[in-house]
Amino acid sequence: DGGITQSPKYLFRKEGQNVTLSCEQNLNHDAMYWYRQDPGQGLRLIYYSQIVNDFQKGDIAEGYSVSREKKESFPLTVTSAQKNPTAFYLCASSPTGNGNTIYFGEGSWLTVV
Amino acid sequence: KQEVTQIPAALSVPEGENLVLNCSFTDSAIYNLQWFRQDPGKGLTSLLLIQSSQREQTSGRLNASLDKSSGRSTLYIAASQPGDSATYLCAVLETSGSRLTFGEGTQLTVNP
Repeated sequence: DGGITQSPKYLFRKEGQNVTLSCEQNLNHDAMYWYRQDPGQGLRLIYYSQIVNDFQKGDIAEGYSVSREKKESFPLTVTSAQKNPTAFYLCASSPTGNGNTIYFGEGSWLTVV
Repeated sequence: KQEVTQIPAALSVPEGENLVLNCSFTDSAIYNLQWFRQDPGKGLTSLLLIQSSQREQTSGRLNASLDKSSGRSTLYIAASQPGDSATYLCAVLETSGSRLTFGEGTQLTVNP
């Protein structure tokens, strides 16, 4: 089935550790996105990529890093510089960068312990 | 900076009732507006997409309208069912790029 796969579903991070969230899509979409959602709040854009080997910062990029080496993959690393990383992380993709429906993965829960 | 507001934050209705969810945005220079559904602990599912040149879109019991000049959109749900219980989010796509700005959502509960 076509779709967006995020892994892991649940992740626990110790203070000072970097963790990487995986996002893979087989929809042949050019654009991919990472959003963060805090309880009872809307989504905030972390990073987005409209083409392989290119990506842009969103509204809350500090403490995060991404790569886009392959069209189908857009991993997100939460670094130790992110002081409040506990949140629900959502990956999304769309056929092009503008005007098309955006599709979301099932999300990953990150908790700092 | 675009800001999106959704009212009410939460809504509880009896089954069968028709209801309206509201979304407002501060910058009318948008490419499109989308309504999404989110079940607890899950990703978002796109319900309706309205291009900036359109006034409304319909899908089944859902109807979304857009008044770009006033910065408002409404999502109308007819004959609500318990299965409609979820959080509904609206998002606007800016004209300059690929950035979607989301509202905080309306949490809907439809009671049997």
